[in-house]
Parts: sequence; structure tokens; C-alpha cells
Amino acid sequence: GAGVSQSPSNKVTEKGKDVELRCDPISGHTALYWYRQSLGQGLEFLIYFQGNSAPDKSGLPSDRFSAERTGGSVSTLTIQRTQQEDSAVYLCASSQNRESIQYFGAGTRLSVL
Amino acid sequence: QKEVEQDPGPLSVPEGAIVSLNCTYSNSAFQYFMWYRQYSRKGPELLMYTYSSGNKEDGRFTAQVDKSSKYISLFIRDSQPSDSATYLCAMKSNYQLIWGAGTKLIIKP
Repeated sequence: GAGVSQSPSNKVTEKGKDVELRCDPISGHTALYWYRQSLGQGLEFLIYFQGNSAPDKSGLPSDRFSAERTGGSVSTLTIQRTQQEDSAVYLCASSQNRESIQYFGAGTRLSVL
Repeated sequence: QKEVEQDPGPLSVPEGAIVSLNCTYSNSAFQYFMWYRQYSRKGPELLMYTYSSGNKEDGRFTAQVDKSSKYISLFIRDSQPSDSATYLCAMKSNYQLIWGAGTKLIIKP
């Protein structure tokens, strides 16, 4: 596809369950970012992947959050033992390199009941 | 205090008006300044990208950066109902983007 693709678009889960969110970046983009957007808030940086380098995990809010990027392409953000405060829109972005413009997917809207 | 401050609005103006959206920041290390537009249930899309102080124009949109005052603005001329969206400012130091909270803009027909 031409743009960043995220799935699912919506996810409703029960407190305590694990969830996986998927991001398929633009082909050829080496940089991939995950952000969280809570209602009425700006984007909160979570994690950054650049090629085969070790990811920058400095924005992950707790050890319940983890992410991986397989083969330098698709990325999965995993939230274990979800809490109600995890409810937000999770956005993925990719760019040609870390200096380039970031292009965003439509996001996954996560609701934890 | 947040690194980037932006009034969340909502800002409601009649069609055809000139809109002014603003952000202030505290970190003088920020080098790149961006405005993104986000429609409901969509991801942000880049509108304007500036580096230096001064103005940059693109059609109906003008981005203004004043590094001495740590203040950036986005002006929209001849506003249209299709401009109704949330506008987020973002600033870059190294590779990380630091975001404002976004201003919800409503253009009334």
C-alpha cells in the first residue's frame, strides 16, 4: 500500500488481557515510531526503531509495554495486563530516515473496560 | 511546565475568516518546527515544515517562527469548512518530535 497501515482500527478488551497492535510502514522506510494519543492530549512518544539498531524505548510508560520490529518492516506493539488508563489511540509513523518527515497511520483506538 | 504549550480550543470562526493558531515552547534546542492537521479518526498529516525564524507560505497557509520569543504560529486565510480539524504543532530536536496538545478548529459555513 501507499501509506502506513495499522490494524486493528478499533480494539475493545477487558482489564488484565494482553493486546497486540500492528503497524505496516511505508515500503523502504527505515525509521518507525509508536505514539500514544489520549483524549485532548498531544502525541506521547513511546518507541523508535531505526534500521537494525537497538530501539529507543525511552518513552515506554511501564514494563507492560513492549514492541518489536521484524525484518526491518512490520512492527507489533504489545501491552500486557491492560489497565483502563491504557485506553487511547495508538499511532504508528514511518520515515525514510530519522531526519525525514514522519507519515502516520490512522491509528488503533484501544478501549480497556 | 510542558515543553510545548498549545491552547486546545475549540476555536470557532466563520467561513472566510483568517485563523491564527499558536504554540509556545521552552527548549531553545528545538530546530525544526512543524504543523500537522488531524481529521477525526485519522492520523496527523504534515501541513508545514520550517527551520529558521521568519515566514513560510504555502497557498492559504503561512507558518511563522520567532525563535527569540520561542513562539510559532500558523495562519489560515480564507478559511473553509474543510479546514475544520485539530491542528498540532510539533518541534524536533535530534529525531524526536515533541508535540503540542492540538487546537480543535471549527469553521462555520
